[in-house]
Amino acid sequence: DTAVSQTPKYLVTQMGNDKSIKCEQNLGHDTMYWYKQDSKKFLKIMFSYNNKELIINETVPNRFSPKSPDKAHLNLHINSLELGDSAVYFCASSQLDRGEQYFGPGTRLTVT
Amino acid sequence: AQSVTQLDSQVPVFEEAPVELRCNYSSSVSVYLFWYVQYPNQGLQLLLKYLSGSTLVESINGFEAEFNKSQTSFHLRKPSVHISDTAEYFCAVSEGTGGFKTIFGAGTRLFVKA
Repeated sequence: DTAVSQTPKYLVTQMGNDKSIKCEQNLGHDTMYWYKQDSKKFLKIMFSYNNKELIINETVPNRFSPKSPDKAHLNLHINSLELGDSAVYFCASSQLDRGEQYFGPGTRLTVT
Repeated sequence: AQSVTQLDSQVPVFEEAPVELRCNYSSSVSVYLFWYVQYPNQGLQLLLKYLSGSTLVESINGFEAEFNKSQTSFHLRKPSVHISDTAEYFCAVSEGTGGFKTIFGAGTRLFVKA
């Protein structure tokens, strides 16, 4: 069983479109995250949810909107996609008092 | 504010040679420290972690890291690397209980040559 899963794995779209990435974890964790990894492998946190509540919101354009319908799911919706949004997006989860995070396989977003 | 510096962006090494990947952090409070490994086209996987207790921590595949509070370092070592160790390695630090926000270093690409 996959612990943290993301769909889709690849996403190719044109500028201006709106797209969503879904994430699910079956580890029973109470905290979930979205990270963006650029072409140089630099990993930057975007959002974090604890028990469905937003607890970290880094300086991310408001075109990005996370949604957590329950503790096991954290989706990312992106409006008006731009070329600079091209990256690999990783979902992760953790138990808040443990620290270590479990990552999904990533979604490679390409905006043309 | 916490930060993480990985001093080497790339480390080429021959198979069966020892390797050290360096990591320094800055923080004003107690920290939890992690090393993650990312194989090509995959997500990050936890390699090892320091939360408390013994300052030397080990992974199941032969890596070890030592927490040095005075030097604010958490270097990763392996006495003999394999081709399969070729990957990107990330050092990470989180403050307090380890939740909420974890800061990742820029990564070190370990390239093991035959």
